[in-house]
Amino acid sequence: DARVTQTPRHKVTEMGQEVTMRCQPILGHNTVFWYRQTMMQGLELLAYFRNRAPLDDSGMPKDRFSAEMPDATLATLKIQPSEPRDSAVYFCASALSWATQETQYFGPGTRLLVL
Amino acid sequence: DQQVKQNSPSLSVQEGRISILNCDYTNSMFDYFLWYKKYPAEGPTFLISISSIKDKNEDGRFTVFLNKSAKHLSLHIVPSQPGDSAVYFCAASTGFKLSFGAGTTVTVRA
Repeated sequence: DARVTQTPRHKVTEMGQEVTMRCQPILGHNTVFWYRQTMMQGLELLAYFRNRAPLDDSGMPKDRFSAEMPDATLATLKIQPSEPRDSAVYFCASALSWATQETQYFGPGTRLLVL
Repeated sequence: DQQVKQNSPSLSVQEGRISILNCDYTNSMFDYFLWYKKYPAEGPTFLISISSIKDKNEDGRFTVFLNKSAKHLSLHIVPSQPGDSAVYFCAASTGFKLSFGAGTTVTVRA
């Protein structure tokens, strides 16, 4: 049963600390997305990759967020320094391709709390 | 500025009755629309979709209707079952970039 995995599932940290979230996309999927879910905004797209290359990260606060794909099996989202307003659930999703109607498969999310 | 809006944050419906979820969008360039379902502590899962060239798509108990002139999308669930209790997200895309609504929490009462 192929699925997207994310670690950690929960993270509590203090303001100013670095946070790293990891995602393993479904094997063979070449498109990876990072989303953030907040109560007010719902699901916001932060960044996405195609064949490990970043295509668009306009949804991310550039000064503190960074997203990378070191290899085809790992995507990372880093926040440095973290702030209380970053508290949210962060989802990774992957798709078989970047075609319009390709289904995105979501991981279980990382619930982040910044104190 | 949110381009996809779900104005009802919650919906309560009796088991066996119809659930109707609504979604409005502002970007006329959207050409593909989807509904995702999310249980607590899990990621969203794809439910049903519709292309802008159609006005209805049906899959079992789930039917999605699209009214392009009104920029309105709806999801009908008939009959509603307890397992349908979840958060439902409406999404729209141009290309493969999805814009999501804030979600509607559906509670199906026994």
